[in-house]
Amino acid sequence: AQKVTQAQTEISVVEKEDVTLDCVYETRDTTYYLFWYKQPPSGELVFLIRRNSFDEQNEISGRYSWNFQKSTSSFNFTITASQVVDSAVYFCASYSSASKIIFGSGTRLSIRP
Amino acid sequence: GAGVSQSPSNKVTEKGKDVELRCDPISGHTALYWYRQSLGQGLEFLIYFQGNSAPDKSGLPSDRFSAERTGGSVSTLTIQRTQQEDSAVYLCASSFQGYEQYFGPGTRLTVT
Repeated sequence: AQKVTQAQTEISVVEKEDVTLDCVYETRDTTYYLFWYKQPPSGELVFLIRRNSFDEQNEISGRYSWNFQKSTSSFNFTITASQVVDSAVYFCASYSSASKIIFGSGTRLSIRP
Repeated sequence: GAGVSQSPSNKVTEKGKDVELRCDPISGHTALYWYRQSLGQGLEFLIYFQGNSAPDKSGLPSDRFSAERTGGSVSTLTIQRTQQEDSAVYLCASSFQGYEQYFGPGTRLTVT
């Protein structure tokens, strides 16, 4: 069965610090997709990134970067030089054709000015 | 282009009444999901429609909850005999097969 674990319930850092949100997934499928979503205080979930299981290249988008490691079944998300606007709940998720999209429980990130 | 829309945005109802929540997915998206999110909590999966396949209803919390998806497009989530514990934000999302989901703004349901 698929499972996504976000062990960090809440993280609080001071602005400009780097922060990493952990995501560990479990799947028996060889083909699967991994996702990160952001839910700001306004409430609407925003898609950030999708990764497929055949592409372990790390991804960088501005201050955001993602580290996908199949050896540890992890898909971690790092925010560099955090800003107050990064404060949100972040969800990691996985999907395979044998299942449906499964979400982790989310990590609440607070960036203090 | 139009995103996922949900209506109403807010719904206040009395305990025991039935409510219908509507979701208009992105055109062409084959998959549609309903979730429930209580204040400060994660996403609770309710039901999943994929194309013409039988829906995955494994997340529906009781037989008071049901959902339909007509013509592979619009979906309606119905809650019968609402209870106070049904108060939450109900989120709809659509995707093209297994690709990323796009979420609607949600319907905030308050049962008094």
